[in-house]
Amino acid sequence: DAGITQSPRHKVTETGTPVTLRCHQTENHRYMYWYRQDPGHGLRLIHYSYGVKDTDKGEVSDGYSVSRSKTEDFLLTLESATSSQTSVYFCAISNPIRDLRSYEQYFGPGTRLTVT
Amino acid sequence: DQQVKQNSPSLSVQEGRISILNCDYTNSMFDYFLWYKKYPAEGPTFLISISSIKDKNEDGRFTVFLNKSAKHLSLHIVPSQPGDSAVYFCAASEAGNQFYFGTGTSLTVIP
Repeated sequence: DAGITQSPRHKVTETGTPVTLRCHQTENHRYMYWYRQDPGHGLRLIHYSYGVKDTDKGEVSDGYSVSRSKTEDFLLTLESATSSQTSVYFCAISNPIRDLRSYEQYFGPGTRLTVT
Repeated sequence: DQQVKQNSPSLSVQEGRISILNCDYTNSMFDYFLWYKKYPAEGPTFLISISSIKDKNEDGRFTVFLNKSAKHLSLHIVPSQPGDSAVYFCAASEAGNQFYFGTGTSLTVIP
């Protein structure tokens, strides 16, 4: 299994508070991703990073920001949490090799966030 | 608007028989596809991939078929085992950029 950890694994917070989720990898993969999983939606991409300090928005980026100051760490911040951000958040990593058409992503164990 | 669809929320199969999970997509630019398996309270686990230059890829008991003209792919598991009971997600992308996931199919393999 890819070396990916997420912290915290569970969090309950109140509406309006800031929250930061951490993803840490030991695989030295270039790309890192944050997804959220909700019933009826599958997994949706929030933000991703293609290198240190290089990030881009995904499908559902509103209300979220990210930072990547080191290859191994990718942080997801909810500046002011809302109840609609209650979800399970997954981090993923990949090392795309375009010549080999290899783009697999490997996922962490997830963080369950509840915003009350 | 869902670009990747898994229209069967659940599927039950007898142990030893074939499981067929289906996935449809709408974007003709998608050229790379992934299948994941997910157990409760765990992250998705990568199973198998296929690129649009192929129409079939096998890995042990798992085979993925791609029909580009129909914008359809399927995952075959044979023989099915009770440990295969999980939620299966398909995902699609254009050149490995942003992946779009289906909503998942919950497979139950009955012993």
